[in-house]
Amino acid sequence: QKEVEQDPGPLSVPEGAIVSLNCTYSNSAFQYFMWYRQYSRKGPELLMYTYSSGNKEDGRFTAQVDKSSKYISLFIRDSQPSDSATYLCAMSNTGNQFYFGTGTSLTVIP
Amino acid sequence: GAVVSQHPSWVICKSGTSVKIECRSLDFQATTMFWYRQFPKQSLMLMATSNEGSKATYEQGVEKDKFLINHASLTLSTLTVTSAHPEDSSFYICSAREGQDTEAFFGQGTRLTVV
Repeated sequence: QKEVEQDPGPLSVPEGAIVSLNCTYSNSAFQYFMWYRQYSRKGPELLMYTYSSGNKEDGRFTAQVDKSSKYISLFIRDSQPSDSATYLCAMSNTGNQFYFGTGTSLTVIP
Repeated sequence: GAVVSQHPSWVICKSGTSVKIECRSLDFQATTMFWYRQFPKQSLMLMATSNEGSKATYEQGVEKDKFLINHASLTLSTLTVTSAHPEDSSFYICSAREGQDTEAFFGQGTRLTVV
């Protein structure tokens, strides 16, 4: 079983839709959870960083962590064509290692 | 967010030559830097982790004599691909974190093509 599971998509939505991206994980020791956005041929850009369970909101983005279910989500409200990218979830414990999902490819259609 | 600068963004080299890629943290001190390799439409593959002033820890299957990593200062790490071959062609990305419990920020990536 992989440490982190993420549906690769592709996911295609109309402009203005709410997008839900998800990851599940198996290691209950993970405490730090991140979402990155990666455009083609670019390095990943950190979108959200959360510690432990709960919600965090930043503009149109909301990250949710449910440690009891080992499930994290990223919601994008009012999606825009510029949100079209690959979204990677990542997580770590107190050690030095990050575990990444395979990424979900998102296309927002104008 | 913090800025990590990676240089060059792309490089083409001849088979058998060596290529050096630089990764700099511009506005924070990076105690730990990571080097990844990414193939098209695939996720990041961790190659090695380096702490400032220490030898890098390589992942299983990564040749440390081929991929030389130096983390000589808190703001700079370098990856040198030695005796490059076409199969080394890939997208290489670094990331850096300030402390053990902080988020990691990525560089822009370097596209290496070996001809």
